[in-house]
Amino acid sequence: ETGVTQSPTHLIKTRGQQVTLRCSSQSGHNTVSWYQQALGQGPQFIFQYYREEENGRGNFPPRFSGLQFPNYSSELNVNALELDDSALYLCASSLELSGDTQYFGPGTRLTVL
Amino acid sequence: KQEVTQIPAALSVPEGENLVLNCSFTDSAIYNLQWFRQDPGKGLTSLLLIQSSQREQTSGRLNASLDKSSGRSTLYIAASQPGDSATYLCAGYNSGGSNYKLTFGKGTLLTVNP
Repeated sequence: ETGVTQSPTHLIKTRGQQVTLRCSSQSGHNTVSWYQQALGQGPQFIFQYYREEENGRGNFPPRFSGLQFPNYSSELNVNALELDDSALYLCASSLELSGDTQYFGPGTRLTVL
Repeated sequence: KQEVTQIPAALSVPEGENLVLNCSFTDSAIYNLQWFRQDPGKGLTSLLLIQSSQREQTSGRLNASLDKSSGRSTLYIAASQPGDSATYLCAGYNSGGSNYKLTFGKGTLLTVNP
């Protein structure tokens, strides 16, 4: 059974640029959630995708957008990058829409200069 | 709005000591509660999930309890080892319709000294 994978591991961008982060969910999991973790903070919920549809969103501006594909992998897109977007971005997959265990990937470290 | 607080923010103990990490939450409508471990610069490793109908869960040297009425959860680590050094995060599931999102605390940084 393959766990949650994310790419790339690290990324450096400049302010104003756009970035795409990718996540492959654990085998059999159709729900993917994205979280942003700033240094020294707990992860903050960005949004969740279920069967290719957005299913809930946290307090993030519209320049944060996502996509889920038929194989349940997912992308997080961030436009017009700001310095405060520098963080560890984590994706988590779970089986169906439930309060069962979410399994996290290793994260993508984004640095905005 | 769910808020999760973890106390203490940091803890340093000698090897072999038993310890308790605390987590409190404001919304008793919490669904489930999950404890995670995070090593520096890494992702989250799930330790224990306590479902709303349960009061505790155990895995090896770890025991987690959940008291929804008081808004508290604790993670008990027995016979701590240097390899237990990490940040421990608790997170509560809240359901907004069909959306089960996790709300995290800031974590407790645990250092176990040999």
